[in-house]
Amino acid sequence: EAQVTQNPRYLITVTGKKLTVTCSQNMNHEYMSWYRQDPGLGLRQIYYSMNVEVTDKGDVPEGYKVSRKEKRNFPLILESPSPNQTSLYFCASSLSRDSYEQYFGPGTRLTVT
Amino acid sequence: QQQVKQSPQSLIVQKGGISIINCAYENTAFDYFPWYQQFPGKGPALLIAIRPDVSEKKEGRFTISFNKSAKQFSLHIMDSQPGDSATYFCAATDSWGKLQFGAGTQVVVTP
Repeated sequence: EAQVTQNPRYLITVTGKKLTVTCSQNMNHEYMSWYRQDPGLGLRQIYYSMNVEVTDKGDVPEGYKVSRKEKRNFPLILESPSPNQTSLYFCASSLSRDSYEQYFGPGTRLTVT
Repeated sequence: QQQVKQSPQSLIVQKGGISIINCAYENTAFDYFPWYQQFPGKGPALLIAIRPDVSEKKEGRFTISFNKSAKQFSLHIMDSQPGDSATYFCAATDSWGKLQFGAGTQVVVTP
């Protein structure tokens, strides 16, 4: 089944404790992206990657890191999480930069205390 | 700053009624306007999309109307069903494929 998977689905952590949220897609998509969803703000893009080893900042990149060492994986790293990073995170992928349909993962709900 | 403004935040419609969600944008570089549907606990999924050279697109009970001069577009859900209860996001993207989302509209269809 073609899908985007994220792990973990739920995470509660404390301020400053480094964490990684994994994202993997099995559709051989070139383009991958991370979003955060907050009430009243919709989805805001954090980082995106047009291909392996190519990443760029989205609208809200502060406090996040990403890497794209393999085509299928695009982990999101929070080096020192803070309470304002409490949010619902979605990973998405699409065939290419020019392919407008993005496929979203099921989401990761992160709480930072 | 939200580049795509969406309204209303929420709406309640009776089964069989019409749901209308409106969006407006400023960036004339946007060239593709998708709508995403999101059910609780799920990621958004593409519902329907339109390009600015078309004024209307219909897929089943879902219709997008697009007004290029006013930089506005809207989603109409005809004959709304309880299964349509979800959050709907309008979005816009330019040729770089970067999606800008609206804030979302929670639609509740009552039996």
